[in-house]
Amino acid sequence: GENVEQHPSTLSVQEGDSAVIKCTYSDSASNYFPWYKQELGKGPQLIIDIRSNVGEKKDQRIAVTLNKTAKHFSLHITETQPEDSAVYFCAASIQSGANNLFFGTGTRLTVIP
Amino acid sequence: ETGVTQTPRHLVMGMTNKKSLKCEQHLGHNAMYWYKQSAKKPLELMFVYSLEERVENNSVPSRFSPECPNSSHLFLHLHTLQPEDSALYLCASSQERTAGETQYFGPGTRLLVL
Repeated sequence: GENVEQHPSTLSVQEGDSAVIKCTYSDSASNYFPWYKQELGKGPQLIIDIRSNVGEKKDQRIAVTLNKTAKHFSLHITETQPEDSAVYFCAASIQSGANNLFFGTGTRLTVIP
Repeated sequence: ETGVTQTPRHLVMGMTNKKSLKCEQHLGHNAMYWYKQSAKKPLELMFVYSLEERVENNSVPSRFSPECPNSSHLFLHLHTLQPEDSALYLCASSQERTAGETQYFGPGTRLLVL
């Protein structure tokens, strides 16, 4: 089955700086890669996703890049704000199959005011 | 809010108790999921229902018993649990069970087994 690794496990940045979280996956058939944000006391919420037919996708301060050859994808948050503090999860799934998401272990991001 | 609600939010139970977790989605989705979230581990998919039919059971112990009476409601019945079952249990739904469909998560039930 798919194995998703995520780094770093914790990340602290100054407000206004950028944050980058990286994930690798093992199954070359995976082609759907969502990113979830989980705030304290809440369930994970989708913030952005990317499919294998594109290499980069951007939504305001958030961007995701995908390198299918290397089997890794990254989340980039620019101009970080204190409300970006949360746990971020990457995931992967095979788009031709069932909707089974394989998650990374999460990155706890702290934005220091 | 995501349109997926879970009750109770917190639950403490002894190993001999029987309890149930409830999930309700108000999104008109056809697929629902149970996940287990433990510290420092990836979310683990437990059960998947599509149009009220269980389509996947990821080798979950029989002390966990799901029930999906209709496409809006999902239950997880618990009995004779072990302390290692303490975790956050998350419910999610998606429009269909087709790969690539966004999954919407509820806030979870924090379970502590004593």
